[in-house]
Amino acid sequence: EAQVTQNPRYLITVTGKKLTVTCSQNMNHEYMSWYRQDPGLGLRQIYYSMNVEVTDKGDVPEGYKVSRKEKRNFPLILESPSPNQTSLYFCASSLGRRNAKETQYFGPGTRLLVL
Amino acid sequence: SQQGEEDPQALSIQEGENATMNCSYKTSINNLQWYRQNSGRGLVHLILIRSNEREKHSGRLRVTLDTSKKSSSLLITASRAADTASYFCATAYNFGNEKLTFGTGTRLTIIP
Repeated sequence: EAQVTQNPRYLITVTGKKLTVTCSQNMNHEYMSWYRQDPGLGLRQIYYSMNVEVTDKGDVPEGYKVSRKEKRNFPLILESPSPNQTSLYFCASSLGRRNAKETQYFGPGTRLLVL
Repeated sequence: SQQGEEDPQALSIQEGENATMNCSYKTSINNLQWYRQNSGRGLVHLILIRSNEREKHSGRLRVTLDTSKKSSSLLITASRAADTASYFCATAYNFGNEKLTFGTGTRLTIIP
């Protein structure tokens, strides 16, 4: 089944404790992206990747890191989480074709609480 | 902000009625997409309409695009309880970052 998977789905952590949220897609998509969703703010892009080893900042990259060593994986890293990073996080992918202006396929989401 | 804006923010209708949601945006687009999100879950793509298209259908969904007014509407006909969800428009602009820009969504509730 074509899908985007994220792990973990739920995470409670404490301020400053490094964490990684994994994202994987099995559709051979070139483009992958991370979003956070907060009430009243909609989805905001954190980072995106056009292809392996190519990543760039979105609208709200502060406090986050990403890497794209393999086409299928795009982990989101919070080196020192803070309470304002409490949010619902989504990974998404699309075919790419050198741009992201196409249908995006979303993962199920990761709900993060930073105490 | 270039973010699209949906209107209304929330909508409640009786099952069987039609639901209409609107989206406005600010600059020239390549395409506009509508997504559905069931509570706390991932977004699911519904329809993509390109800037040179005016109307598109998919089952009970009808999307229109008016580039002169920079607006789009999503019509769901003969609504069902399962249509209860949040609906987001997402715009792909012709210039700038390679991404979709999402609005804040319309929360649709279908009353059985």
